[in-house]
Amino acid sequence: DVKVTQSSRYLVKRTGEKVFLECVQDMDHENMFWYRQDPGLGLRLIYFSYDVKMKEKGDIPEGYSVSREKKERFSLILESASTNQTSMYLCASSFIGLALSGELFFGEGSRLTVL
Amino acid sequence: QQQVKQSPQSLIVQKGGISIINCAYENTAFDYFPWYQQFPGKGPALLIAIRPDVSEKKEGRFTISFNKSAKQFSLHIMDSQPGDSATYFCAASNGGGADGLTFGKGTHLIIQP
Repeated sequence: DVKVTQSSRYLVKRTGEKVFLECVQDMDHENMFWYRQDPGLGLRLIYFSYDVKMKEKGDIPEGYSVSREKKERFSLILESASTNQTSMYLCASSFIGLALSGELFFGEGSRLTVL
Repeated sequence: QQQVKQSPQSLIVQKGGISIINCAYENTAFDYFPWYQQFPGKGPALLIAIRPDVSEKKEGRFTISFNKSAKQFSLHIMDSQPGDSATYFCAASNGGGADGLTFGKGTHLIIQP
């Protein structure tokens, strides 16, 4: 069974702290994504990566960075957390080009609260 | 700029009824239109998808209708069941989708017994 694992389901951090959200996929997918989910706003793409050490900005990259040192692992980094980054963060992966597989596989999400 | 507009934001349907969720898009380069279903505490999961070369796709009780000229597509859930209660997202992508999907804002569907 395919699996995308987000290591932390719930985190509470203080304003200004550095936050790492980790994501691992076991499907040998080329593409990995970080989305943010907020009520009434849907899912918004933060960053994506189509290869190791490659990264591309999505629609809302400000305040975030990412790291992809290994094919199976994609990390989202909040250099200095702010209260407006309180949200649900979803990691996803897919084969290269959705045209091939037609599907994004999502993790269960990491709910971050910044106080 | 919202590239995929989804409505309604919330929907209540009686058991056995038809649930209808609508989406519209602007970018004519979009060539893949999936619907995702999300249960509380879970990540979204692919429910059904369509490409613009067909006008309708059916999988069990779920049907996507696609109108290319109007740039609209919709999800119909026939004989809706309480287990269908979830949040539904329409989405779109182009160019093979390597840069991910653009999602609508979601519809919170409740099926009343």
